[in-house]
Amino acid sequence: EDQVTQSPEALRLQEGESSSLNCSYTVSGLRGLFWYRQDPGKGPEFLFTLYSAGEEKEKERLKATLTKKESFLHITAPKPEDSATYLCAVSGYNNNDMRFGAGTRLTVKP
Amino acid sequence: DTAVSQTPKYLVTQMGNDKSIKCEQNLGHDTMYWYKQDSKKFLKIMFSYNNKELIINETVPNRFSPKSPDKAHLNLHINSLELGDSAVYFCASSLGQGAADYGYTFGSGTRLTVV
Repeated sequence: EDQVTQSPEALRLQEGESSSLNCSYTVSGLRGLFWYRQDPGKGPEFLFTLYSAGEEKEKERLKATLTKKESFLHITAPKPEDSATYLCAVSGYNNNDMRFGAGTRLTVKP
Repeated sequence: DTAVSQTPKYLVTQMGNDKSIKCEQNLGHDTMYWYKQDSKKFLKIMFSYNNKELIINETVPNRFSPKSPDKAHLNLHINSLELGDSAVYFCASSLGQGAADYGYTFGSGTRLTVV
């Protein structure tokens, strides 16, 4: 069964303090790995899709990378508005949906 | 606005009642989903419909019954509500099944509280 494990569970950073979030996964034939951002009281908002090891994607202060076993979401010089829960999910060729990790709750202090 | 919209946003009800949550998307997507997010924020798939056809039905009590009158709507009916049903329920849609270049578009959620 597809599994996704995210770490750390919570991360507190000072504004400008760069860091990375980890997503470890097991899946039978990766169709795609996804990163979402979720703000309190809202639904997850799509950020990136990664398809194969070595792939990288960037959006503003966020960069997602992918290996055969894990993905990292690098946050460079974060700002308080980057505070949110970041969710990782995978979709495999054996299923028709996404399996989510439990998320990393990021807090960026000014 | 193009979006996935759910109603109601909040639902407080007593044990044993029957309730429904409605979901509509105007994105032209052909696949819709129901996810449950528990108190630990873990999102778990419940159901998925593709063009009104049920394609995913996870291990969910049969008190939960999805209904898709057309590909733009996916409703969730829950019978005999129990305390453990308290959670946030998210509707989502996508173009095609499973992985998609643009992921899923989620609604803002329905917070169900059973008392």
